[in-house]
Amino acid sequence: KQEVTQIPAALSVPEGENLVLNCSFTDSAIYNLQWFRQDPGKGLTSLLLIQSSQREQTSGRLNASLDKSSGRSTLYIAASQPGDSATYLCAVLRAGGSYIPTFGRGTSLIVHP
Amino acid sequence: GAVVSQHPSWVICKSGTSVKIECRSLDFQATTMFWYRQFPKQSLMLMATSNEGSKATYEQGVEKDKFLINHASLTLSTLTVTSAHPEDSSFYICSAAPSGLAKNIQYFGAGTRLSVL
Repeated sequence: KQEVTQIPAALSVPEGENLVLNCSFTDSAIYNLQWFRQDPGKGLTSLLLIQSSQREQTSGRLNASLDKSSGRSTLYIAASQPGDSATYLCAVLRAGGSYIPTFGRGTSLIVHP
Repeated sequence: GAVVSQHPSWVICKSGTSVKIECRSLDFQATTMFWYRQFPKQSLMLMATSNEGSKATYEQGVEKDKFLINHASLTLSTLTVTSAHPEDSSFYICSAAPSGLAKNIQYFGAGTRLSVL
């Protein structure tokens, strides 16, 4: 059974810092990995999707990397801003199985001015 | 982009009543929709997979008579929490997979917060 762990569970940083959020998964046979953002009481917004054959994806100040063999992904946020405050979820889709992603518990990020 | 609308966004109800939550794909057709549940500071847990025109597939431990799912059209799925109790209070999120695309592509709704008094 796939298990997804996100570290740290919570993070509070001053504005401008570069951040690294970690996601690890136990079964390396994945189809893809996706990072989401969730604002309090809201649904999910997809940030980046990395296919199993890819090493990284970039969108603006966000960069996500994938090391499938070691079961790890990192989300890098450059020059953090207060508007980045949210919970960031990592979800892994198993290869050859159902299309149901396994979610981590998320990292709750607060960026203070 | 693909938009999934959930209604209502927040509902408060008395214990014993039933609550219906709607999930609509606004600009695409979705043969398959998914219903998730999220407790505070917890991950999303899949409750059931809803397929248009057929019965939903429930995950282990989810009572199908408690959580009724109807997917009568390619753009609408509903989740009805029957005889709601305080322990059913949670955040419910749906997602929709566009027809014709790989089902791993899912678009998420904004969620519905259910509070049962």
